[in-house]
Amino acid sequence: QKEVEQNSGPLSVPEGAIASLNCTYSDRGSQSFFWYRQYSGKSPELIMFIYSNGDKEDGRFTAQLNKASQYVSLLIRDSQPSDSATYLCAFPNSGNTPLVFGKGTRLSVIA
Amino acid sequence: NAGVMQNPRHLVRRRGQEARLRCSPMKGHSHVYWYRQLPEEGLKFMVYLQKENIIDESGMPKERFSAEFPKEGPSILRIQQVVRGDSAAYFCASSRTSVGTDTQYFGPGTRLTVL
Repeated sequence: QKEVEQNSGPLSVPEGAIASLNCTYSDRGSQSFFWYRQYSGKSPELIMFIYSNGDKEDGRFTAQLNKASQYVSLLIRDSQPSDSATYLCAFPNSGNTPLVFGKGTRLSVIA
Repeated sequence: NAGVMQNPRHLVRRRGQEARLRCSPMKGHSHVYWYRQLPEEGLKFMVYLQKENIIDESGMPKERFSAEFPKEGPSILRIQQVVRGDSAAYFCASSRTSVGTDTQYFGPGTRLTVL
């Protein structure tokens, strides 16, 4: 059974700080990874995806992938209270399609 | 440009009744996925469909649950004889292709409450 592990949190950071969210996965063959943000009572929305080793930056968000260590992370720079949400890490179950999700890390940005 | 649409947004059923959840994918998307999120839990895959075909139903409970995606109309997730443990948020997602790097976009979800 393929799994994704995330620290459930809550992770509390002060406004303006860097929030670091981490995820480990069990399937060494996984090629692509997705970070979704989910506000309470809402549906997941895509933040970033990454499929190459290294860093991928998009605005205040940076995804980092290390396939050798089976580790993917999401950095949020200049954290804002509006970033307070649950962040879900996911990867496709078998090369294509259905996503395996972690339980998510709850982030709280304190003003 | 409508995103993924789901209805109803909230559904209340008594034990033993049937629940019918609908999902219309984004325009141009032919791949539909259903996920369930129990309170304080992560999203769990249930079923993956393309038009008129079930591709993967490995996450679907063997009894009482069924899904379809007809040639015309929305995808439907049907739960017969609901029990309290079925209370959850049910999310539908769609993608354009089945390639692993293709993004799945989520609908707003249907919150099912079983009394």
